[in-house]
Amino acid sequence: AQKVTQAQTEISVVEKEDVTLDCVYETRDTTYYLFWYKQPPSGELVFLIRRNSFDEQNEISGRYSWNFQKSTSSFNFTITASQVVDSAVYFCAQRNTGFQKLVFGTGTRLLVSP
Amino acid sequence: DSGVTQTPKHLITATGQRVTLRCSPRSGDLSVYWYQQSLDQGLQFLIQYYNGEERAKGNILERFSAQQFPDLHSELNLSSLELGDSALYFCASSVGQESDEQFFGPGTRLTVL
Repeated sequence: AQKVTQAQTEISVVEKEDVTLDCVYETRDTTYYLFWYKQPPSGELVFLIRRNSFDEQNEISGRYSWNFQKSTSSFNFTITASQVVDSAVYFCAQRNTGFQKLVFGTGTRLLVSP
Repeated sequence: DSGVTQTPKHLITATGQRVTLRCSPRSGDLSVYWYQQSLDQGLQFLIQYYNGEERAKGNILERFSAQQFPDLHSELNLSSLELGDSALYFCASSVGQESDEQFFGPGTRLTVL
């Protein structure tokens, strides 16, 4: 069975703080994909990153970085020097190969105050 | 802008009614997916079409149906609407069955009164 857990319901930080959003997944498949999506107040879902299960290299994109650890089934997302525009709900998702169903976590609402 | 379009943006209707939501995928994408986002259920996969054929079904009610047309646009039909069907309905698209990223449209917010 597939399951994605985002234990943090809401996080509040002050601008310029670093923040890490946690994601723990469950799957029986050995090959799978992990994703992060951002949902700003406007409501659309914005794709941020995809990670393959066979590639455990961490990734950095500007102020965003992702830490994938297969041993703990975690795919955490860190925003460095957060900004007010980062305020949104962030969803972690997982998909097995061959079947395009995305299983989402419940999301973490990030509030960045000036 | 993801390139996926959805109409209408908002829809308000009454219980028992039927509505149709429309989605146009990104140019070149053959797969279309429908998702429902509600407060109590979160983001749930409903159904996937690939090049006109149904490929996968998730938590889609029997009152709901979908199809993908030859021009690859898709429609989600919701009938005998109930208050609990009020939600944000997303369409997503990807290049093909084995593609990875799904790009989401802006969603249709359905309110059933």
